[in-house]
Amino acid sequence: EIVLTQSPGTLSLSPGERATLSCWASQSISSTYLAWYQQKPGQAPRLLIYDSSTRATGIPDRFSGSGSGTDFTLTISRLEPEDFAFYYCQQYFSTPNSFGQGTKLEIK
Amino acid sequence: QLQLQESGPGLVKPSETLSLICTVSGASIRSGTYYWAWIRQSPGKGPEWIGSSYYTGSPYYNPSLKSRVHISVDTSRNQVYLNVTSVTAADSSVYYCARPQQPFWSGGPMDVWGKGTTVTVSS
Repeated sequence: EIVLTQSPGTLSLSPGERATLSCWASQSISSTYLAWYQQKPGQAPRLLIYDSSTRATGIPDRFSGSGSGTDFTLTISRLEPEDFAFYYCQQYFSTPNSFGQGTKLEIK
Repeated sequence: QLQLQESGPGLVKPSETLSLICTVSGASIRSGTYYWAWIRQSPGKGPEWIGSSYYTGSPYYNPSLKSRVHISVDTSRNQVYLNVTSVTAADSSVYYCARPQQPFWSGGPMDVWGKGTTVTVSS
């Protein structure tokens, strides 16, 4: 099973700042098979990015994804109050699909 | 609009079987376009893919759970079922029903999720 490691565990920033979240895979998953989700307390995960860099339907353009191989990044260009949440990456290069342990984005 | 709703007992005793139902509305499972997945999330952890099934059967399971999990589909009721046998406290989680974004994929990004149902394993 491919293990995804997310960093940092917690990121403390202020609204308006830029957020950079990282996801490392234990083996190469090419440049395509990675997704990012946002999750708020008590809610299901919400798909933000798929295929490493494609925004899902209705996702604002302040969210962007990049990376290939084993290193991937989710960037939020200017944080809005509603962006403070947990973020998870998911690989679907191999079965079983696996998720990272998450990054908590909190208000500083 | 497609909606998924999980239901089932919130409390299950150790060694017993956990049984959940996902009711699909806004689309017909019988259309055969999509797989239907179960995903769980323990407190403070990332989600874990349990498995997926097509409307004809042919389920795929996470190898770590394969010996204890069964997913089935009832097209007449438009429902997807999850059974997990011989549960322990480690199976206590929020269980989600979800639909893969891509037609005919058993996994991949999930773009539609239910709200989830919390299951606690305790005597």
